[in-house]
Formats: sequence, structure tokens, C-alpha cells
Amino acid sequence: EVQLVESGGDLVQPGRSLRLSCAASGFTFDAYAMHWVRQAPGKGLEWVSGISWNGGKIGYADSVKGRFTISRDNAKNSLYLQMNSLRAEDTAFYYCAKDGVRFLEWLTDWGQGTLVTVSS
Amino acid sequence: EIVMTQSPATLSVSPGERATLSCRASESVSSNLAWYQRKPGQAPRLLIFATSTRATGIPPRFSGSGSGTEFTLTISSLQSEDFGVYYCQQYHTWLTFGGGTKVEIK
Repeated sequence: EVQLVESGGDLVQPGRSLRLSCAASGFTFDAYAMHWVRQAPGKGLEWVSGISWNGGKIGYADSVKGRFTISRDNAKNSLYLQMNSLRAEDTAFYYCAKDGVRFLEWLTDWGQGTLVTVSS
Repeated sequence: EIVMTQSPATLSVSPGERATLSCRASESVSSNLAWYQRKPGQAPRLLIFATSTRATGIPPRFSGSGSGTEFTLTISSLQSEDFGVYYCQQYHTWLTFGGGTKVEIK
């Protein structure tokens, strides 16, 4: 059974940094692309970032480009999201999601999310 | 960035009736489109990928069609468990989601 467990969400002040982690199990981690998707209160789903199976292809939403960095450690079956220069509009539940293939396409499994609140 | 627009925002359908959800892309995404269902308190569930391929375990009452910029998700005979919010997502150029269609049981 695929399991994705996010951690690292917290209440932070605008301009500060936060690092999210996702521990994956139940599948061959290094065979699939991985993503971060967020949902702000009362809003829809927003893709944040994705990384291919070997880290060779990385993409970001325009809203986070230059501030967020995605990475993965295939030896540790883990996905990360480094978030810098946080803004109030980054407040959301952040979900780790597994792709259906090696590259950035559709999302087959999701974690339960971790809450990031950006507020002074 | 490709913008995905879903309509209607809310759809009220009686059990047994057909539900038709629309998704429009701001530019062609070829057939690189997926659909998800989300229920309160649950993770999104992949329904359809590559426009019309049902994901594992998805019943045949769910079907997808379209290409280019216009796509449709059809639920042929709505069941009570089909309520929730449905999202389309393109993966032609990175990924973007539509704003969602809420399906209510009438």
C-alpha cells in the first residue's frame, strides 16, 4: 500500500523559511516522479512543484518560482520542499503526491497534507 | 502558464441521471488531461488520465472525452457516493488544475 506522510508544516512569519518533508513507502520510490500540491482555505487545488524520478526534470508554478526548491533523496525514499520568502498567500495545506510515471504527468496517490500558515 | 477553466461551478444532479462536467484549456494540451474526485476529508482520487483512460478501480460509469482545449467528464448514472468536487488537470506543460466543479446530489 502506498503511503505518503508529510511533515514540517508550521506557523511562520512572512519572509521566513520552512522545509517540508514527505516520507514515502509501499512502492519503488525512485521509479516515479513526485509532486507538491497545495490547497488554500476555501480554494481549489494548486500544483506547486514536481520532480522527475531521477531529479533531472524539475518544474514550479509561477507563483513560487524563485522562492521554493523541490528535491528528493531516493536512498531515503523522501521528498522535500524548501520554502523561502514565505508570503501570506502561501498559507495552505501542502500535499505530497506520487506521479503515475517517471515524469511529470498525473497523480495517483496523495498524502494527508501538512498545514503551513504564514502570518505575523 | 496554461489556465484550466471548469464549468459549471456547481452541478445538482438526481441519482441515476447523467452528469456532464466541462474543462477548457487556454491553449492546446493535446490529450494530456486528467480528472480527479475529491470528497471532504479525503485525498483526491485519480479518475481518468490521458483524457479517457480510467484509473485502476474506477467504475465504467465515469468516462472522459475531448482533445486540444475542450474536455468532458461524464458520469453516466450518478450514484449517491459520487458527490464531491471534481478537478481537471493538464500535464502538457508542467501541471495546472482547474478551479473545480462541485457535484451535489439533488
